[in-house]
Amino acid sequence: QQQVKQSPQSLIVQKGGISIINCAYENTAFDYFPWYQQFPGKGPALLIAIRPDVSEKKEGRFTISFNKSAKQFSLHIMDSQPGDSATYFCAAAGGTSYGKLTFGQGTILTVHP
Amino acid sequence: GAVVSQHPSRVICKSGTSVKIECRSLDFQATTMFWYRQFPKQSLMLMATSNEGSKATYEQGVEKDKFLINHASLTLSTLTVTSAHPEDSSFYICSANSRAGGSTDTQYFGPGTRLTVL
Repeated sequence: QQQVKQSPQSLIVQKGGISIINCAYENTAFDYFPWYQQFPGKGPALLIAIRPDVSEKKEGRFTISFNKSAKQFSLHIMDSQPGDSATYFCAAAGGTSYGKLTFGQGTILTVHP
Repeated sequence: GAVVSQHPSRVICKSGTSVKIECRSLDFQATTMFWYRQFPKQSLMLMATSNEGSKATYEQGVEKDKFLINHASLTLSTLTVTSAHPEDSSFYICSANSRAGGSTDTQYFGPGTRLTVL
């Protein structure tokens, strides 16, 4: 029940295209859903996060869509750039986890120029 | 934004030795810090939760006597890998919550420490 399932495992997009990564969770106590970007050899960096009181949050080219009834959330990267090539992790926290994040498996995004 | 640093960024040691990794929150106080390890092309695996002034809480399957965690102040937590062996070689990453350790606090990550045990 603590799992967060992320798909796809890898994604190839052309420059200027839209990258979409999906996550699904089971624990209805989760109430915080961040996305992290990680470059090779670096720690994850917080990209954007959402709480269940809204269905969408946009920051620049990054948008989170959240579907509470389906227990799913997704990251959309508009106008994808080669510099966006990285590994993306969704995560969830809440309930009795006391701030502990449950991570998805990660998606390796490659944006071709 | 909140910055978390780690030191060292890379360490190579001989089998049987101990290695200490430091995690610092540079511009905020972190009541709670977390330690993760990450194998190549895999997700982050939480090892333990560290609360200032109290004993760390270890995840199932993590040996607390092997991975010693100390959270001596609101800005510093250390992970000591004792009697390291080649299978302990990994990327160790710490993170810190920016506020009081609640479930929805933003968690900021350090840059990671690459440990190689020969």
